[in-house]
Amino acid sequence: QKEVEQNSGPLSVPEGAIASLNCTYSDRGSQSFFWYRQYSGKSPELIMFIYSNGDKEDGRFTAQLNKASQYVSLLIRDSQPSDSATYLCAVNPQGRSNYQLIWGAGTKLIIKP
Amino acid sequence: GAVVSQHPSRVICKSGTSVKIECRSLDFQATTMFWYRQFPKQSLMLMATSNEGSKATYEQGVEKDKFLINHASLTLSTLTVTSAHPEDSSFYICSARQAQDQPQHFGDGTRLSIL
Repeated sequence: QKEVEQNSGPLSVPEGAIASLNCTYSDRGSQSFFWYRQYSGKSPELIMFIYSNGDKEDGRFTAQLNKASQYVSLLIRDSQPSDSATYLCAVNPQGRSNYQLIWGAGTKLIIKP
Repeated sequence: GAVVSQHPSRVICKSGTSVKIECRSLDFQATTMFWYRQFPKQSLMLMATSNEGSKATYEQGVEKDKFLINHASLTLSTLTVTSAHPEDSSFYICSARQAQDQPQHFGDGTRLSIL
């Protein structure tokens, strides 16, 4: 079992709809969770991070964390073509040296006009 | 805030050349910096973790004598690819983090092409 799992996609969503990206993790002691967006040929950029159970909203983005079920999700409301990218989930597990992030392989999101 | 600058953005050089890549945190002090490599259509691969003032920790399979990392200050880390060969051609990306539970912020990456 991979430590952080994401559906590779592609996930195709019509413009204006809600895109829902999911991520599960194996280390129950994980404390912090991050979502990054990576456009083709570019480096990742931080979208959101969440530490506590529940929802965290920032503009069109909402991160949801459920530690009991060991999943974290990212919702993108009013999806735009510019949201088309690969979304990377990263988890900061407990006890990892230097608190390295464990990365998912990413979900490719395509927003269709 | 949290800007990370990485230079150069692109390098094309002959086989056998050594290439130095700089990573700077511009508006925060980075206790830890990370170096990643990414091949086309593949996932990020962590190469090494660098803490200011101490030796870098390399991931399994990464040659420390080939990929020299220096983290001399809280705002600067460098990666030197020594005697580069075509198989070293890749997209190298640094990230910096202020504290253990804080997000990593990425530089724009360096696209290295060895002829």
